[in-house]
Amino acid sequence: AQKVTQAQTEISVVEKEDVTLDCVYETRDTTYYLFWYKQPPSGELVFLIRRNSFDEQNEISGRYSWNFQKSTSSFNFTITASQVVDSAVYFCALSETNYGGSQGNLIFGKGTKLSVKP
Amino acid sequence: EAGVTQFPSHSVIEKGQTVTLRCDPISGHDNLYWYRRVMGKEIKFLLHFVKESKQDESGMPNNRFLAERTGGTYSTLKVQPAELEDSGVYFCASSQGRYTGELFFGEGSRLTVL
Repeated sequence: AQKVTQAQTEISVVEKEDVTLDCVYETRDTTYYLFWYKQPPSGELVFLIRRNSFDEQNEISGRYSWNFQKSTSSFNFTITASQVVDSAVYFCALSETNYGGSQGNLIFGKGTKLSVKP
Repeated sequence: EAGVTQFPSHSVIEKGQTVTLRCDPISGHDNLYWYRRVMGKEIKFLLHFVKESKQDESGMPNNRFLAERTGGTYSTLKVQPAELEDSGVYFCASSQGRYTGELFFGEGSRLTVL
């Protein structure tokens, strides 16, 4: 069975601190996709990143970075020098593949609520 | 360009009543998805439309839920009759490509069944 676990329910940091959000996944598939979404107070989920199982290179986008390790089935997300605007709920998700691409039926973790205080 | 819009943002109904949620996807997006988050639980997939066709409805909880997408544009999700356990936030998402996984979500429709 496929499953995504985000063990951290809530994290609170002070602005400019670095913070890492953990994500551990379970799947029997050899090919799959992993995602991170951000849910700001307005409610919609905003796509941050997609990574396929064959690409273990770490990704950096500005203050955001992602560490994908198949050996530990983890796809962790780090925010460097956090800002108040980073306050949101962050979801990690997993999907099966079809014809080499990701299916839209994502399996989500329960989310981690990040609060960044000034 | 308008994003995914959902209506209503919040609905409060009594057990046994009917509610219809509406989703307008981003123009040109053939793929439309419904998800649901029940309090304290994960966001769960309900179903996937490609244009007006149901591609995957494996996540629909039971036959009290009916989703339609006539004409391949907006979609409705009807719950009839509503039960207490149907309370939660219903998210709609759309995507242009079928296999990208980059879904554009709406703000959700919060359903409270009393």
